[in-house]
Amino acid sequence: QKEVEQDPGPLSVPEGAIVSLNCTYSNSAFQYFMWYRQYSRKGPELLMYTYSSGNKEDGRFTAQVDKSSKYISLFIRDSQPSDSATYLCAMGLENDMRFGAGTRLTVKP
Amino acid sequence: DSGVTQTPKHLITATGQRVTLRCSPRSGDLSVYWYQQSLDQGLQFLIQYYNGEERAKGNILERFSAQQFPDLHSELNLSSLELGDSALYFCASSSLGQFNPGNTIYFGEGSWLTVV
Repeated sequence: QKEVEQDPGPLSVPEGAIVSLNCTYSNSAFQYFMWYRQYSRKGPELLMYTYSSGNKEDGRFTAQVDKSSKYISLFIRDSQPSDSATYLCAMGLENDMRFGAGTRLTVKP
Repeated sequence: DSGVTQTPKHLITATGQRVTLRCSPRSGDLSVYWYQQSLDQGLQFLIQYYNGEERAKGNILERFSAQQFPDLHSELNLSSLELGDSALYFCASSSLGQFNPGNTIYFGEGSWLTVV
């Protein structure tokens, strides 16, 4: 079993839909949780991060962490075609960060 | 543009060969990270250098090595290449040596390596 599991998709939604992206993990010692967005032929870029269980909102994006279930989610409201990308969850302990495999999202106009 | 420059962008080589990937970090960044991204393994951390010294090591094979030079650019050397080494290799940089989410790391656009 991988330490971080993420459904690779692909996921296709119509413009305006609410998108839910999820990861599960096995290491209860992970201290921080992040979401990266990776456009085609580009490197990943940090979207959001959090240290604690609960919700963290940034514009149309909400990151949710449930440490008791070892489950994290990223919600995208009012999804736009420009949100089409691969989304990678990441989590870590000090200098040791692990990435999920990434979920490819397409938002259709 | 993240400010991290990687060369070459694409590379095709034969099994058993050796290649060198080069990375120039963002101006002022002292840390350089190397990652491997493949379809089946996702994004895997290989190694980190901070101001010329190795800081952290991940899933880096013994056939692979890296270094960071006094001008802070870094090179990743891949030798005795196998088909399974075909992947996208990313370099990233950050200003600090200790990784934490608040210390943003910036990724380059990657070097595509194909081993045939």
